[in-house]
Amino acid sequence: NAGVTQTPKFRVLKTGQSMTLLCAQDMNHEYMYWYRQDPGMGLRLIHYSVGEGTTAKGEVPDGYNVSRLKKQNFLLGLESAAPSQTSVYFCASSAQGSEPQHFGDGTRLSIL
Amino acid sequence: DQQVKQNSPSLSVQEGRISILNCDYTNSMFDYFLWYKKYPAEGPTFLISISSIKDKNEDGRFTVFLNKSAKHLSLHIVPSQPGDSAVYLCSGQGGSEKLVFGKGMKLTVNP
Repeated sequence: NAGVTQTPKFRVLKTGQSMTLLCAQDMNHEYMYWYRQDPGMGLRLIHYSVGEGTTAKGEVPDGYNVSRLKKQNFLLGLESAAPSQTSVYFCASSAQGSEPQHFGDGTRLSIL
Repeated sequence: DQQVKQNSPSLSVQEGRISILNCDYTNSMFDYFLWYKKYPAEGPTFLISISSIKDKNEDGRFTVFLNKSAKHLSLHIVPSQPGDSAVYLCSGQGGSEKLVFGKGMKLTVNP
């Protein structure tokens, strides 16, 4: 079982470049989430989705956009990357909002 | 303002002994708490949860205790095994709040 798959696993960007992180889940989950994890801080929610075609802002949404065109995919976009966005990004999914979340293995993003 | 606090960054115990990981929360709306385990270079994996209607939940070697009046929960691992060495994340949610994570605690179980 693949569970939650994140692509790519590593990426180095230059300031101002754009990119999209892809998250795919094969568990038919309704809810999907994007988090970032920085040293000395807990996971912080960037954006989330409660179903296909829906998105909502989390705790730290600035500088990011998301799309959920298909139920199994949740895309995180950086339109103009900044060094402050250097982080490890985790995607997660859950059947319902009150159910435990299943996480991918993360995307390590460095912005120079 | 940190809503979920794991004040001790690390804990080291001997194999076979009990590990006690503590977590405090400030948001009175939280009614569901989850512990996740995280190995390096991997995503967190769900370990155990507890609802606010209970004060204890047990799953094998893992037990979570909830003290609502103190806004405190703890995870007990008995007996601890070297494979339990990981970072443990405490989290809470409730009301309109999405899941909020603490900073994590690194547990090392020495053989």
